[in-house]
Amino acid sequence: AQSVAQPEDQVNVAEGNPLTVKCTYSVSGNPYLFWYVQYPNRGLQFLLKYITGDNLVKGSYGFEAEFNKSQTSFHLKKPSALVSDSALYFCAVRELRKGNTPLVFGKGTRLSVIA
Amino acid sequence: NAGVTQTPKFQVLKTGQSMTLQCAQDMNHEYMSWYRQDPGMGLRLIHYSVGAGITDQGEVPNGYNVSRSTTEDFPLRLLSAAPSQTSVYFCASSLRQGPVEQYFGPGTRLTVT
Repeated sequence: AQSVAQPEDQVNVAEGNPLTVKCTYSVSGNPYLFWYVQYPNRGLQFLLKYITGDNLVKGSYGFEAEFNKSQTSFHLKKPSALVSDSALYFCAVRELRKGNTPLVFGKGTRLSVIA
Repeated sequence: NAGVTQTPKFQVLKTGQSMTLQCAQDMNHEYMSWYRQDPGMGLRLIHYSVGAGITDQGEVPNGYNVSRSTTEDFPLRLLSAAPSQTSVYFCASSLRQGPVEQYFGPGTRLTVT
């Protein structure tokens, strides 16, 4: 069965510093990987995805993520954090195979950017 | 496009009551799903549908029913509410399964007393 782990419940970073939110995954075959962001009292919004090809994926709001197959990781990164980046971030995986393969989410990491 | 809409936004139920959470999308998406979000648990999949007339169970289906009679609508029914079903419920849709992003509704906050 597919699964996602986000090892950090909370990440704190100073404004202007680089940020990393970690994600590791487990699937039997090849993965589709996603990052979503949730602001308070809102639904989730799509940030970026990895399907195939270049391991560095660029997404919305200056975020990027690096796919590492050997480490089964898909960490979210941003070179310079903003206070407005403070939110709850979710990593998700869908296995690439025939049949129904629902999207599975991690437990989320709360990012706090301090001015 | 309105995107994914959910009603109601808030609901309080007594134990044993039943109700239906409504979800609709106007993007002609094939795939729709229901999640519940609980503190420290992330999003857990309840049920999903890959098209009209086709539904399947997710990770936590017990106590919930769904149907998909049209492409647009995907209601979630609580047959006999329990305090353990107190949660925030999100409906989501995507064009299809596979490497496409899901669009989420604003959520329904349900409290069962």
